[in-house]
Amino acid sequence: SAVISQKPSRDICQRGTSLTIQCQVDSQVTMMFWYRQQPGQSLTLIATANQGSEATYESGFVIDKFPISRPNLTFSTLTVSNMSPEDSSIYLCSAAGGANYGYTFGSGTRLTVV
Amino acid sequence: QQQVKQSPQSLIVQKGGIPIINCAYENTAFDYFPWYQQFPGKGPALLIAIRPDVSEKKEGRFTISFNKSAKQFSLHIMDSQPGDSATYFCAASSTGGYQKVTFGTGTKLQVIP
Repeated sequence: SAVISQKPSRDICQRGTSLTIQCQVDSQVTMMFWYRQQPGQSLTLIATANQGSEATYESGFVIDKFPISRPNLTFSTLTVSNMSPEDSSIYLCSAAGGANYGYTFGSGTRLTVV
Repeated sequence: QQQVKQSPQSLIVQKGGIPIINCAYENTAFDYFPWYQQFPGKGPALLIAIRPDVSEKKEGRFTISFNKSAKQFSLHIMDSQPGDSATYFCAASSTGGYQKVTFGTGTKLQVIP
């Protein structure tokens, strides 16, 4: 399956600032997704990153807060904007499709907002 | 509304035991049912997956049982080892898996030596 590199692995940020998380896949993939996971909890889908078009957001998530880019079939970014302590969480990138079937996840970005 | 229900929330078994984790779904459009294993500080890793045209799938010590009429599926871990201690998530998606995945709530498994 595809290998995903996600960075940064962790960060501590001041409230009101923004953080951009990068997701790089080692092969071209059809679908890329961004999830949020609170420690000890399940995964919540934020949005589907569409190549060459605007991301598709799930209920409760908006583009102004979580802008997403996907310039090609191997790379995507998620920005967490105007952060508050409630945004403290683990953010995960996922990819599906490409040469090998199945979903793969990055190791996540552990974000703490102070 | 939660679409994939998972139980139990946590599970402790002795080494060599067979932990069983159960999931139920509501959306009949789901046609791909993966299980993920997650260790602390890591992203979820695909463990095994099944489609509704088969009732059972085995990969090594991991077996999925699938009951389409009941809309239920379960994960069995044979001869469990302390290294299997992790959080397990069932999931479901449609259109052959190339759509968004809906995750269960997770089961934290501890295998005692």
